[in-house]
Amino acid sequence: GAVVSQHPSWVICKSGTSVKIECRSLDFQATTMFWYRQFPKQSLMLMATSNEGSKATYEQGVEKDKFLINHASLTLSTLTVTSAHPEDSSFYICSAKAGPNTEAFFGQGTRLTVV
Amino acid sequence: GNSVTQMEGPVTLSEEAFLTINCTYTATGYPSLFWYVQYPGEGLQLLLKATKADDKGSNKGFEATYRKETTSFHLEKGSVQVSDSAVYFCALSEETSYDKVIFGPGTSLSVIP
Repeated sequence: GAVVSQHPSWVICKSGTSVKIECRSLDFQATTMFWYRQFPKQSLMLMATSNEGSKATYEQGVEKDKFLINHASLTLSTLTVTSAHPEDSSFYICSAKAGPNTEAFFGQGTRLTVV
Repeated sequence: GNSVTQMEGPVTLSEEAFLTINCTYTATGYPSLFWYVQYPGEGLQLLLKATKADDKGSNKGFEATYRKETTSFHLEKGSVQVSDSAVYFCALSEETSYDKVIFGPGTSLSVIP
């Protein structure tokens, strides 16, 4: 199957700093990318949907100023956690689709720890 | 709205036992249904999928049949192995312009020798 790569796979940052997570589709053009958050022993919660060249659509309850999403090209989307705090510590997973009715491929996830 | 419900875990089985993980869904339209697996410390892998009613998805000995009449997509395997220990997520995707995938809560499976 197609490959979606996230970077970094883990990151530790100090409270109050910002962290950027990259999601790349390596062998296909992703018109749509999704960002999920997963708390320990829980399911994946969709945070936002982004289409290349347009603003992301955030799910209810997700702060768009806190979690900045940029989908600048057909192979790259970034999630920036601004002014991170310990409660933002979580596992963040992206997925990418080539178009409607196509399979979503998932990245390997990024574990963020804010200290 | 769309949602997915799974049987609660954790599920603990002996090696070679029969596995069933129940999954039911609520959706408008005609969703595609998926089972994803997450091994400890890793991301998600698609295990199998079905895109229309009565389709059967299968992979690595796992099977699930899309039952529209009961809105279910139960996962089964005839003989589990220790290496099957993981968390299993049932999920659906609607045919909308964004096709976002909605996940169930996940079911943790532990297979003991």
